[in-house]
Amino acid sequence: EAGVTQFPSHSVIEKGQTVTLRCDPISGHDNLYWYRRVMGKEIKFLLHFVKESKQDESGMPNNRFLAERTGGTYSTLKVQPAELEDSGVYFCASSQEVRDRVNEQFFGPGTRLTVL
Amino acid sequence: AQRVTQPEKLLSVFKGAPVELKCNYSYSGSPELFWYVQYSRQRLQLLLRHISRESIKGFTADLNKGETSFHLKKPFAQEEDSAMYYCALSGKRRYNTDKLIFGTGTRLQVFP
Repeated sequence: EAGVTQFPSHSVIEKGQTVTLRCDPISGHDNLYWYRRVMGKEIKFLLHFVKESKQDESGMPNNRFLAERTGGTYSTLKVQPAELEDSGVYFCASSQEVRDRVNEQFFGPGTRLTVL
Repeated sequence: AQRVTQPEKLLSVFKGAPVELKCNYSYSGSPELFWYVQYSRQRLQLLLRHISRESIKGFTADLNKGETSFHLKKPFAQEEDSAMYYCALSGKRRYNTDKLIFGTGTRLQVFP
């Protein structure tokens, strides 16, 4: 089992450009989460998919961020246009659904985004 | 407001010394508490969760609802314990979402 995979591992772009991050969850995991760690700050929740539906997108910072999970498998997170403050490490995690219990989330290695 | 506080950015100890990584939380209701660890060049992984009441790699953590704390402890630190440790909480039952709320993390350095 490869675990959660993320692509790319690093991305360096200029302010105003567009970047798309991809996450492949563990096979069979209905839950998929995006988190972000900005330098010097805590890891912050962005959004949560259950299959292809957005369960909670309360952490999305603004409308420059668009997340999709077509077909309920992999997910993409697009930032358009990128700003300097978007720099950070973007983590994806996935979990199985277990009723009435907080599920263990398995994290990917992260994508380090640098906006110049 | 839901919040996790880890007051120490860095904790340095010698091998064999006891370790306590502090974590306090703010939450209205009954959260589930976790410790996640990230070793050098590895991904973030679950170390332990309070409902399991287990010891992992010699680490334990007790949920103290009165003090709203979930400190991580190990009686004798090992060099391989050096890593970044994150305390996190989730409140699925109340909000029907199990997003994790993380603290800022504590880097543990264990010297030989």
